[in-house]
Amino acid sequence: QVTLRESGPALVKPTQTLTLTCTFSGFSLSTSGMCVSWIRQPPGKALEWLALIDWDDDKYYSTSLKTRLTISKDTSKNQVVLTMTNMDPVDTATYYCARSPGTGNFDYWGQGTLVTVSS
Amino acid sequence: QSALTQPASVSGSPGQSITISCTGTSSDVGSYNLVSWYQQHPGKAPKLMIYEVSKRPSGVSNRFSGSKSGNTASLTISGLQAEDEADYYCCSYAGSSTFVFGTGTKVTVL
Repeated sequence: QVTLRESGPALVKPTQTLTLTCTFSGFSLSTSGMCVSWIRQPPGKALEWLALIDWDDDKYYSTSLKTRLTISKDTSKNQVVLTMTNMDPVDTATYYCARSPGTGNFDYWGQGTLVTVSS
Repeated sequence: QSALTQPASVSGSPGQSITISCTGTSSDVGSYNLVSWYQQHPGKAPKLMIYEVSKRPSGVSNRFSGSKSGNTASLTISGLQAEDEADYYCCSYAGSSTFVFGTGTKVTVL
């Protein structure tokens, strides 16, 4: 049974750095072809893909947010971490992590965590 | 990476068929057969409904089908049911292990 769960602060101040952790079970990120992505959704708005890390520790980022994002993994802990620097109120969103089994889609999602950026 | 274009809303009566379009470019939808579709009910995480343009994951009703022509992908829901009322998002691989989502479509069952 595949599960993913996001965790992190519910509230961050403008200019601060956000750190989110995705803890997963039911699969291994060391399996060839396996990937985990971060995706966000501002309230009432569309989904936005942010970043992906693959089984080989290669990392890929949204062009528009590349300078602010860092994705990493701890295979032994079954965790993927996303950091986003210089947070702004427009970054207020529900942040999801999702599994991508190498077929160009996201087949399992976490329940999401709402992050509000406000002073 | 500009968002893929979807109609803001589509509606239909129970039993009818509806189609949601998803228009991209030759750099994403037009270049790869890696278009997927997600259903999202209010307050819930998205659910994969279609992948690789037209494949259905196990457990997804065969009332959902996908297709693609050029830079436009489509999701068709046949035999519309009340439980199909939700937001739907398309997503395309955009090369170099990056992805782009659509603007989203609200489906209303009349």
